[in-house]
Amino acid sequence: QSVLTQPPSVSAAPGQKVTISCSGSNSNIGDYYVSWYQQLPGAAPKLLIYDNNKRPSGIPDRFSGSKSGTSATLGITGLQTGDEADYYCGAWDSSLSAGVFGTGTNVAVL
Amino acid sequence: QVQLVESGGGVVQPGKSLRLSCAASGFTFSDYPMHWVRQAPDKGLEWVAVISSDGSIEYYGDSVKGRFTISRDISTLYLQMNSLRVEDTAVYYCARGKSITGLLDYWGQGTLVTVSS
Repeated sequence: QSVLTQPPSVSAAPGQKVTISCSGSNSNIGDYYVSWYQQLPGAAPKLLIYDNNKRPSGIPDRFSGSKSGTSATLGITGLQTGDEADYYCGAWDSSLSAGVFGTGTNVAVL
Repeated sequence: QVQLVESGGGVVQPGKSLRLSCAASGFTFSDYPMHWVRQAPDKGLEWVAVISSDGSIEYYGDSVKGRFTISRDISTLYLQMNSLRVEDTAVYYCARGKSITGLLDYWGQGTLVTVSS
């Protein structure tokens, strides 16, 4: 059972924008940085956003992150077919003394 | 070039044991905490365990606590899995952490563990 809640799926046409929400609590998102991971079909997860809103080298600025209170959001603008993947938020949870991931969101490009 | 290569997966009967390895290269292994994350077939990511850079601190997910042990040596991360259950069937990934509580910046390709009679 995941501690962080995400919508199961989002979709939009090429070039459009999607946002993915990640809802948690004071013991995880409220207290720690949020990371986002992209998992392309058949591949290992890859770091997409860290420290709520920072992008690793090589990640295009079409991807953005934000955090407010106990929720975080991933935004993807200029949607491309290559963005079709599962996206997961992640954080540490002080109550569990464990890492936690979101339930995952599948992005489909119509 | 950071590389993490998992090995040791396979088919094992319920109740048996298995040890996974993750060979690290391309960075100073002893500077980083290391994590195990798993993914059951067609399911989401589940965090399993983390070990500090010096090996002195370990944390575990509730579903594996008391059965799995994470450890490390100079360039390899391990996951000793005992009393395996059918629900432990998953692809197991090792990942480098920036800190125990922080982001996972590099991931291996994963190794599949199937627990079945």
